[in-house]
This record gives sequence, structure tokens and C-alpha cells, in this order.
Amino acid sequence: DAGVTQSPTHLIKTRGQQVTLRCSPISGHKSVSWYQQVLGQGPQFIFQYYEKEERGRGNFPDRFSARQFPNYSSELNVNALLLGDSALYLCASSEDPAMNTEAFFGQGTRLTVV
Amino acid sequence: SQKIEQNSEALNIQEGKTATLTCNYTNYSPAYLQWYRQDPGRGPVFLLLIRENEKEKRKERLKVTFDTTLKQSLFHITASQPADSATYLCALYTPNTGFQKLVFGTGTRLLVSP
Repeated sequence: DAGVTQSPTHLIKTRGQQVTLRCSPISGHKSVSWYQQVLGQGPQFIFQYYEKEERGRGNFPDRFSARQFPNYSSELNVNALLLGDSALYLCASSEDPAMNTEAFFGQGTRLTVV
Repeated sequence: SQKIEQNSEALNIQEGKTATLTCNYTNYSPAYLQWYRQDPGRGPVFLLLIRENEKEKRKERLKVTFDTTLKQSLFHITASQPADSATYLCALYTPNTGFQKLVFGTGTRLLVSP
């Protein structure tokens, strides 16, 4: 079975640009969460989507947005990139956010803003 | 303020010894706590989950304890191997209606020498 897949794996963008990151959850999982991990820190929660609806949002500016598609895949968009947005962006899928189950993470997208 | 603290210094141990990692938290009331392993440039991999009403959980060479009075979890790897070298993250889940937000510590790097 395929795990959580993210694309692209690496990305270099210029300040002020916009970026879209993609995630495909494990088959059968309806929930996708996005996390940002800055070097040397633990992942920080950005969004959770379940059944195509936003269920939760972390403390990130409105430049960050996301959506979930009917096939449960998801995109994370970041506008007006800042140098501080450079990080590993992780996608995690789970069966149901109301169930206390583990999250399965993808390998991440390494975003570098120059 | 809310904090999750893990030893920021790397833990160096010899092969065959038991590694013990600590996760302390303040101003949280987690429903459960999870431990993840993360290798450089990769996404976290789930290891163990322990609920607030459980004192101890085991899986093969891994053992987790959870003391809600001390607000602490200990993660043990017995008979450690060089392949266990990685960063280990603890994550708390605090109930929010309808969504699963994991709050991560900064992680502790474990180095197991042959």
C-alpha cells in the first residue's frame, strides 16, 4: 500500500512568489493535516481538513490556505513568500480526526525561499 | 504559557544500553501522547501512542510511560542499536471539537555508538 505522498520533494522560490504543495493521503483516509517544520524545531500545525472541510487552523497568517479535493488529496498554498517560510512542509493523513489514532506523515516538501 | 520540553542536547549512548528520553509539558491536559521517530530530511514515523488513563505501553524494544501528575512521559529503547540513531519527537493531542491537532516538542537526537 502506498503511504502518504507529497510533491514536489524540494522547491526553491523567490520572496514574494506563491507556492502550491500537494499531498495524497493513504487510501481510505479522509483527513489530511499540514504541518510546518523549521530546522531544529518540531512540526507546527497549520491546517486540518476532513471530508473536504476545514476542521482546524493553527496560528499562521492568511497567506497560508489549503483545500481538500473529493478524492481526499490536498493542496497547501502559500502567497507572498517570506524568507521565514523556508521549512519542511509535512502532510499527515489519518482515518478520522474524531478518533484518537496516529497520524501518518509523508516525506515532506523542503521549501527554500531566497 | 504552554510548553512541551524535550532535551535539546543529543543523547549519546553505547550499543546495547537502554536509552531514556524525556518529554515534559506544562499547561496542557492531553488526552493522549505520541512518540515519533524522525530521520534527517524525512517525515516523522509513528512509534507509540499512550492515553491519559494508561501508565505504560510497550512495543518490542520500546516502552513509554505517562504520568499526568508529573506531566511527563518517558520513552525507553532497550538493547539500543546504531540503527536507532534518529531524532525522537513527542506530541500531545489535546481535545478540540472535531479536529486533531498534534502539538510537538522540539525533539531529542539519539546517537547510538557501536
